[in-house]
Amino acid sequence: LAKTTQPISMDSYEGQEVNITCSHNNIATNDYITWYQQFPSQGPRFIIQGYKTKVTNEVASLFIPADRKSSTLSLPRVSLSDTAVYYCLVGEYGSSNTGKLIFGQGTTLQVKP
Amino acid sequence: DVKVTQSSRYLVKRTGEKVFLECVQDMDHENMFWYRQDPGLGLRLIYFSYDVKMKEKGDIPEGYSVSREKKERFSLILESASTNQTSMYLCASSPMWLAGERRFYEQYFGPGTRLTVT
Repeated sequence: LAKTTQPISMDSYEGQEVNITCSHNNIATNDYITWYQQFPSQGPRFIIQGYKTKVTNEVASLFIPADRKSSTLSLPRVSLSDTAVYYCLVGEYGSSNTGKLIFGQGTTLQVKP
Repeated sequence: DVKVTQSSRYLVKRTGEKVFLECVQDMDHENMFWYRQDPGLGLRLIYFSYDVKMKEKGDIPEGYSVSREKKERFSLILESASTNQTSMYLCASSPMWLAGERRFYEQYFGPGTRLTVT
């Protein structure tokens, strides 16, 4: 299973775009890239998932270069309520139905007024 | 709305006690997971189950066991609680991944149980 590396913390201001980059040099062919968000005293919540190029939903965008050794979560115009820990995960689909995920330390995003 | 519930938000137990943490999901998911979360270490997988009565060890199974007698319920058992098991415990569930399907199903997490062992 591929290991991920992401910054421990980031600061931003309301209204700014925030980009959090995750490195996953050993990503395998079958691996998907998934991002979760966790607020204090809550369990993580799925944000977005992708395999290659760009994925966008109502919450965020995910940019994945051709070599897939890194990915960038982009949060447009953050607000105070986006203050949370963001986890980048790489996981395998297909060969089994278990889909183990590895959660690293995550990136603590602090949005300031 | 999808829901994963855990039996307690806060729990205080004494060293040596047997502790049961219960998790219930109402989404008819095949997979269920138990994690613990500690500052600086992120989430670590303890055990997971992909079917009733089936289980597999995660990364840190020592000192824990699990039980899955019904599809919707997954229990984590601390046979003899120790102080180093003081932690936040998170349960999650997800649908079964189908072989060859190019999709990685998200996991749905419960609110967590903060366990303190004294």
